[in-house]
Amino acid sequence: DIVMTQTPLSSPVTLGQPASISCRSSESLLNSGGNTYLGWLQQRPGHPPRLLIYKISNRFSGVPDRFSGSGAGTDFTLKISRVEAEDVGVYYCMQATQFPYTFGQGTRLEIK
Amino acid sequence: EVQLVESGGGLVKPGGSLRLSCAASGFTFSSAWMSWARQVPGRGLEWVGRIKSSTAGGTTQYAAPVKGRFTISRDDSKSMLYLQMDSLKTEDTAVYYCTIQGWDSLPPLDSWGRGTLVTVSS
Repeated sequence: DIVMTQTPLSSPVTLGQPASISCRSSESLLNSGGNTYLGWLQQRPGHPPRLLIYKISNRFSGVPDRFSGSGAGTDFTLKISRVEAEDVGVYYCMQATQFPYTFGQGTRLEIK
Repeated sequence: EVQLVESGGGLVKPGGSLRLSCAASGFTFSSAWMSWARQVPGRGLEWVGRIKSSTAGGTTQYAAPVKGRFTISRDDSKSMLYLQMDSLKTEDTAVYYCTIQGWDSLPPLDSWGRGTLVTVSS
């Protein structure tokens, strides 16, 4: 199985300041068709996960443009340009290139 | 609007069985590859398994911890997804989510239900 490793595991951020989360996969997520199925999920307290970013850098429907994704191969990053109070929660990277799909351990975003 | 609503969770003894259901709406269910994932309360996410659309063969794939014990099935006529869980273990205790990922669809599709809690305990 592909192992997904996130850093940091906890990120205290001041409101209005940027935040960044890294994710590394144990093998390349680029498939033979030229696609990289790397996504970022947000899970607010008491809620199910919600997709923010798919295929590295595509914002899903309804996701604010302060969220952005980048990377290639085995190294990926989620950035929040200006953190808002509603962004508090746990963020997971997820790979859907190879079954079983696997997730990072999660990064807890909290407000300082 | 895409909706996935799970049901069937509850308390079961080790070695017992439980069947979860997921009612889907808001998209063409018969064309969708559907999955189940789970999350131990307060912990991370784990994929359980998936079932391809009937037109793609309807085949299933399972994660190693549940292979041979869990069975995913679907009823396209009712837009329903099922997870039959047998020989349950205490480590199967988790919130179970019905989910869909259609990142290549136009428009792209992704949704998670609110989950149903399964507790395996004597």
